[in-house]
Amino acid sequence: AQSVTQLDSHVSVSEGTPVLLRCNYSSSYSPSLFWYVQHPNKGLQLLLKYTSAATLVKGINGFEAEFKKSETSFHLTKPSAHMSDAAEYFCVVSLYNQGGKLIFGQGTELSVKP
Amino acid sequence: SQTIHQWPATLVQPVGSPLSLECTVEGTSNPNLYWYRQAAGRGLQLLFYSVGIGQISSEVPQNLSASRPQDRQFILSSKKLLLSDSGFYLCAWSVGTYNSPLHFGNGTRLTVT
Repeated sequence: AQSVTQLDSHVSVSEGTPVLLRCNYSSSYSPSLFWYVQHPNKGLQLLLKYTSAATLVKGINGFEAEFKKSETSFHLTKPSAHMSDAAEYFCVVSLYNQGGKLIFGQGTELSVKP
Repeated sequence: SQTIHQWPATLVQPVGSPLSLECTVEGTSNPNLYWYRQAAGRGLQLLFYSVGIGQISSEVPQNLSASRPQDRQFILSSKKLLLSDSGFYLCAWSVGTYNSPLHFGNGTRLTVT
């Protein structure tokens, strides 16, 4: 069975410090993995995706994620947090054998302190 | 470019009243279409998905139904709303294979009173 676990429900950082949002996955197949961001009362926006190419994936707004098969992880990082990064972040795994249905993690709320 | 429109943005409805939420996609053909619900402080729950006109798959038994009368139109309905139907409803689309990302609308905040 395929699943995804976001290890922290809430992360708080100071502006200008690094961001680390952790995600572990379980998949019977070579997975496709995504990170989405959701600002309050808005839809989700794709940050980046991994689809079996380069293991270090760069996304929008300075975010990147590294696929580590040995650790079954896909952690999201950013070198320097900005106030506008405060939002909910979702790690997502794709179901290979079911037409692109996605399994969402429970989300990590990122707070950025001035 | 592709765009997705979802309306209304907010909706307050009494228990027992009907519901109709609409979603349309522009700029692409034969998209996969999805309805998700997001309860307060929780992740996303897939309600329905469709790979073509008239083809609807339901993920969970519930008080809701979905229809796809046109290629790029997806409608979420209920005949009688329950309090538990309150939440944030998101429509999304994708094209291609399983590794294609979803593109979301801005959502509808439904409050059932």
